[in-house]
Amino acid sequence: DTGVSQNPRHKITKRGQNVTFRCDPISEHNRLYWYRQTLGQGPEFLTYFQNEAQLEKSRLLSDRFSAERPKGSFSTLEIQRTEQGDSAMYLCASSRDTWRAFFGQGTRLTVV
Amino acid sequence: GQQVMQIPQYQHVQEGEDFTTYCNSSTTLSNIQWYKQRPGGHPVFLIQLVKSGEVKKQKRLTFQFGEAKKNSSLHITATQTTDVGTYFCAGPRIGGGGADGLTFGKGTHLIIQP
Repeated sequence: DTGVSQNPRHKITKRGQNVTFRCDPISEHNRLYWYRQTLGQGPEFLTYFQNEAQLEKSRLLSDRFSAERPKGSFSTLEIQRTEQGDSAMYLCASSRDTWRAFFGQGTRLTVV
Repeated sequence: GQQVMQIPQYQHVQEGEDFTTYCNSSTTLSNIQWYKQRPGGHPVFLIQLVKSGEVKKQKRLTFQFGEAKKNSSLHITATQTTDVGTYFCAGPRIGGGGADGLTFGKGTHLIIQP
C-alpha cells in the first residue's frame, strides 16, 4: 500500500494562470474523490469518479474547474483563470467501493 | 442541504485532561465517520459507527453514535501531546453509505498545553 499520492505538494501561481494537479490513488481503488479545504474548515466535496466515469460535480465546482480520470487510474484537476478565492488545499481521496476514504497529503494552492 | 455541525470549534486542555467533541447532523445518517488531521497533515480515518446507540473504543478514544443516528461524540481520556490536531466527523454526502463522498463538519481543534 503506497498510499494516495498528490503532486505538486505546493503551488504558487499568479491570478489568471491555469494550474493542474495530479492524484495517484491506491492502485486497486476504483473510486476517487476531490475535496477542497480552506483554513479552519473541513474538507468540502468537489467531485468523484467511479473508474473513469465522473459521477457527480458539486455546485462549488465552477466552469473553470475540470477533472479527468483517464483509464480509471490517476486523476487530474485543472483550474483555469485562477482567482484568489481558489487558494486552498486540494485533497484527493480514494476508496474501493467502500465508505472509508484514504486521503493524499494534498496540494496547497496559493493564488497571488 | 445536509449539514454537519461540530462543537466546540477549539478546545484547549492541559495534558492529562479529558476532551470531548460533539457532532450533529441535520439529517439521519446511515453511518458516521471520524477523521483526525494533524497540523500540516491530511485527514486520517479513525473509525466508522453504523448502529444506533453504538459505542466503540480505541485505547483512550471512545466514540458514540446517538440513538436517532443524528449525533455522535468523540471522547479522549487523559490527553497526550500526540492527540493534538483537528478531529472531524463526516456523514455520507447522499443518503447512502458514503461511497458517493462525505460531508464533513468544520472540526474541533484540540490544543494541548503541557
